[in-house]
Amino acid sequence: DIQMTQSPSSLSASVGDRVTITCRASQGISNYLAWFQQKPGKAPKSLIYAASSLQSGVPSKFSGSGSGTDFTLTISSLQPDDFATYYCQQYNSYPRTFGQGTRLEIK
Amino acid sequence: EVKLVESGGGLVRPGGSLRLSCAASGFTFSNYWMSWVRQAPGKGLEWVANIKQDGSEKYYVDSVKGRFTISSDNAKNSLYLQMNSLRAEDTAVYYCVRGGGSLGYWGQGTLVTVSS
Repeated sequence: DIQMTQSPSSLSASVGDRVTITCRASQGISNYLAWFQQKPGKAPKSLIYAASSLQSGVPSKFSGSGSGTDFTLTISSLQPDDFATYYCQQYNSYPRTFGQGTRLEIK
Repeated sequence: EVKLVESGGGLVRPGGSLRLSCAASGFTFSNYWMSWVRQAPGKGLEWVANIKQDGSEKYYVDSVKGRFTISSDNAKNSLYLQMNSLRAEDTAVYYCVRGGGSLGYWGQGTLVTVSS
């Protein structure tokens, strides 16, 4: 199975900050990488697929990059609504696997 | 508007069975792979299974192989998950998701609790 490791596991930031979350795959996954946002008690929401493609309706403040084993999610100009948990997920092979999540908190 | 509505969750004893359903609307169901993803209380996301549009391919995480069966009915725009021999570690919110790789749209989830 491909292991997905996110860093950091938690992150404190202020409104207006720009933050970057990293996701590393245990083996190469080309660009078969997605990012999700989840708020407490809610279903995850798809943000990015194919490592860097924005899902319809997702604001351009979210951006993704990377290929192979190393990927990043960048969120610019943080707003209160952005504080949530973020997950990466690989879909290069079975079983599909998720990172452990990064909790983004308000400083 | 894409809508996925899960049902069928509840409390079940270890070793019992449960069948989850997902009613899909707002898109052409027969054009998409569909998946189930679960989340244990306070934990991260775990992919469970997916199924190809015509049902010809199905994949499962090892921990549910031989116990869970994914199926779909294109005439009813519905996805199912038959869960047998349930264990305490199957306790989770189960999400119905559109997509087989990239998971674009998620339902609100249904809670399955396995406890005596």
